[in-house]
Amino acid sequence: SYELTQPPSVSVSPGQTASITCSGEKLGEKYAAWYQQKAGQSPIIIIYQDKKRPSGIPERFSGSNSGNTATLTISGTQAMDEGDYFCQTWDGTTAVFGGGTKLTVL
Amino acid sequence: EVQLVESGGGLVRPGESLRLSCAASGFTFISHSMTWVRQAPGKGLEWVAYISGHGSPSYYADSVKGRFTISRDNVRDSLSLQMSSLRDEDTAVYYCARVVGYCTGGVCDNWFDPWGQGTLVTVSS
Repeated sequence: SYELTQPPSVSVSPGQTASITCSGEKLGEKYAAWYQQKAGQSPIIIIYQDKKRPSGIPERFSGSNSGNTATLTISGTQAMDEGDYFCQTWDGTTAVFGGGTKLTVL
Repeated sequence: EVQLVESGGGLVRPGESLRLSCAASGFTFISHSMTWVRQAPGKGLEWVAYISGHGSPSYYADSVKGRFTISRDNVRDSLSLQMSSLRDEDTAVYYCARVVGYCTGGVCDNWFDPWGQGTLVTVSS
């Protein structure tokens, strides 16, 4: 079965750039989406089709996808960006989530 | 405003059944596929099932195939998940989500937006 691998945790200082990776075989040939989940809340979509931002999502969130890796980049990270981030793709007719990355803003 | 409200969660014993519901409002329900995603306590997200706007096709995660059935009522704008032969490992918060995009010809290009608040299912003896 298809797997997506994310680092369990990423730490970043306020104002700096955070990068969260998501690896899967030939992931660049699929579309990747990213979800943010803050403590006690439901997930929200922050990136779809590799790099598109839904309305209301700040410009500091960006995405890319090439080769075997999709990357979520948060520029000028703010304290409010702390939470869990999950990548997601489809393998045929099966949706697959990465294990999630806990972002800590120190 | 798009709203999804899940209900039906609770405590059940292993082997029992439970039916979850998701009431949708604020959008044209039949125009969107829908999905269920679950999250075990302290764990990540696990996709469970998908159903297209008109009810077919539907797809399932291997972990629930043959035990869970996703369905929808396009008159009442509601989504359901019938769960049977429940196991301890089915314990999770179950979210319904609207699907934006498509699955066609066995290829899916879509994402989940928005999500409901979730309903907790606990399977324990």
